[in-house]
Amino acid sequence: EIVMTQSPATLSVSPGERVTLSCRASQSLSSNLAWYQQKFGQAPRLLIYGVSTRATGIPARFSGSGSGTEFTLTISRLQSEDFAVYYCQQYNNWPGTFGQGTKVEIK
Amino acid sequence: QVQLQESGPGLVKPSDTLSLTCAVSGYPIRSSNWWGWIRQPPGKGLEWIGYIYYTGSNNYHPSLQSRVTVSVDASRNQFSLKLSSVTAVDTAVYYCARISNAGVLLDYWGHGTLVTVSS
Repeated sequence: EIVMTQSPATLSVSPGERVTLSCRASQSLSSNLAWYQQKFGQAPRLLIYGVSTRATGIPARFSGSGSGTEFTLTISRLQSEDFAVYYCQQYNNWPGTFGQGTKVEIK
Repeated sequence: QVQLQESGPGLVKPSDTLSLTCAVSGYPIRSSNWWGWIRQPPGKGLEWIGYIYYTGSNNYHPSLQSRVTVSVDASRNQFSLKLSSVTAVDTAVYYCARISNAGVLLDYWGHGTLVTVSS
């Protein structure tokens, strides 16, 4: 099973700032990496798949990058509605595994 | 617009079987998409349970395989989850979701339903 490790666990940020979240895989994923956003009490929402492709309706301030085992989600200018927990997920191998999440909170 | 809605008991006794149904609306379950179940223990991360195609082909998480059954009723546009011999560690929010055509990732989710295992 591929282990996904996200860092940091928590990020304290002010609105308008640029945010970078990291996700590391225990083995190479090719391009089979997705990011989700989960707000409190809600289901996760797909943000990015294929490392860098935004899902339908996702604003351009969200971008993904990386390759192999190192991946990044960037939010160019954090807005109030972006405070949430972010998860990466590999779907290169079954079972697909998720990182433990990064919580983006208001500074 | 694809919508998914989980339903089932919110409380299950230890050693019993957890049973949930996911009703899909706005999209035919008989499509090129697979359909999946994921769970999230309170305050913790996400875990795959398994997924199914409308033909009945399925795939389960190896750690749950001996206890899980996912089935589909295409005539009702719904699919179901059964998890047997539950214990307190199975307490979680259970989500059903549509699997993207881009891979085994989830592009539409239900709201989730909390299932507590307790006597």
